[in-house]
Amino acid sequence: QSVLTQPPSAAGTPGQRVTISCSGSSSNIGVNYVYWYQQLPGTAPKLLIYRNNQRPSGVPDRFSGSKSGTSASLAISGLRSEDEADYYCAAWDDSLRGLVVFGGGTKLTVL
Amino acid sequence: QVQLVQSGAEVKKPGASMKVSCKASGYIFTSYYVHWVRQAPGQGLEWMGIINPSAGNTNYPQKFQGRVSMTRDTSTSTVYMELSSLRSEDTAVYYCARDLEGYGVYFDYWGQGTLVTVSS
Repeated sequence: QSVLTQPPSAAGTPGQRVTISCSGSSSNIGVNYVYWYQQLPGTAPKLLIYRNNQRPSGVPDRFSGSKSGTSASLAISGLRSEDEADYYCAAWDDSLRGLVVFGGGTKLTVL
Repeated sequence: QVQLVQSGAEVKKPGASMKVSCKASGYIFTSYYVHWVRQAPGQGLEWMGIINPSAGNTNYPQKFQGRVSMTRDTSTSTVYMELSSLRSEDTAVYYCARDLEGYGVYFDYWGQGTLVTVSS
């Protein structure tokens, strides 16, 4: 059971906009930045969004992130077939000595 | 260019220990923290801890305390992750990742992953 809660699956057709939610608590998302990772099958995760809504260079502006209170969202607009992947949210959690927590992951299917 | 190159796949028996290496190149090794993350087959990502390659200090989640040890060798720019008392549930791909922010979750470079299989 993951500390951050994501829907297990999401789907959309090419060109559509989809959003993936990530719910946390006052010790993680509520007080720290949220990060989003994309993982294609058989590969290491790739950073998509850092500090809630910032994109590393090279990440298309079709990907955007937002945060409100103890929840965050990843939005993908102009959906493409190559966006089919697993998506994970992550944050630092200030409980105990501090630790990194991940969401359980969302499998995005492009129909 | 920045690279994190991990050691190869391993097969271990229950109760044994494993030690995975992560050799860094293309940047100043002591300038960035390194995390270890694992992924069991068909499962999500799980954080195993962080090491400061400069001072060598570490932080592990409670789940792994007493069983995990992260060390570094500054002469070879390599970090190591050792996990003891292995059980079948430890079968996973183990990744090292560089943290651009220090004590954050900004993992900009990852190793290729090391598959460790625990089986009798």
